[in-house]
Amino acid sequence: DVKVTQSSRYLVKRTGEKVFLECVQDMDHENMFWYRQDPGLGLRLIYFSYDVKMKEKGDIPEGYSVSREKKERFSLILESASTNQTSMYLCASSPNPGWRVGDTQYFGPGTRLTVL
Amino acid sequence: AQKITQTQPGMFVQEKEAVTLDCTYDTSDPSYGLFWYKQPSSGEMIFLIYQGSYDQQNATEGRYSLNFQKARKSANLVISASQLGDSAMYFCAMRGTQGGSEKLVFGKGTKLTVNP
Repeated sequence: DVKVTQSSRYLVKRTGEKVFLECVQDMDHENMFWYRQDPGLGLRLIYFSYDVKMKEKGDIPEGYSVSREKKERFSLILESASTNQTSMYLCASSPNPGWRVGDTQYFGPGTRLTVL
Repeated sequence: AQKITQTQPGMFVQEKEAVTLDCTYDTSDPSYGLFWYKQPSSGEMIFLIYQGSYDQQNATEGRYSLNFQKARKSANLVISASQLGDSAMYFCAMRGTQGGSEKLVFGKGTKLTVNP
């Protein structure tokens, strides 16, 4: 079974802190994604990566950065956390770069981040 | 640009009855895929079912079936014989084949409540 793990289920940070959210997948997937989920807004893509050291902005990258030094690990960084970044953060991975439309994404359990 | 619309913020169904969750989409891609995910209160996103735009038959997976009407651009999820454990958020998502095809676009979700 595909397994995507996230470093924390719940996290509480203070405004201005630097926050690292870690995601690890064990299926050798090329693609990895970070989403945030807010009530009434669904899932919105922050960043994704299709290869080591490669990254692309999603729909809402402002205030975030990412790092992918190893294929299995994709980190989301909040350089200076703000209260409007309080949200649920979901990591996902999928196999194969390219066009196979049937390749689903596999999600981690999520991290509920609260910024005070 | 691709867009997914889920018009039902919340749905209620009696246990053992069938329920249909609506999803309409918009895309200019000639080939695309449609996905449904379930998110229980615990937070993890669970892949349920997939429909390709060129698939001749509607997809089925156990109690889940997808009512795909290509001309109407709709991909409704049908859950037969609802169970209490089906209470969750349900998200419709789309993936295309053109630029950025690794990405999924999600709807805002429908909260399903199954009553005993």
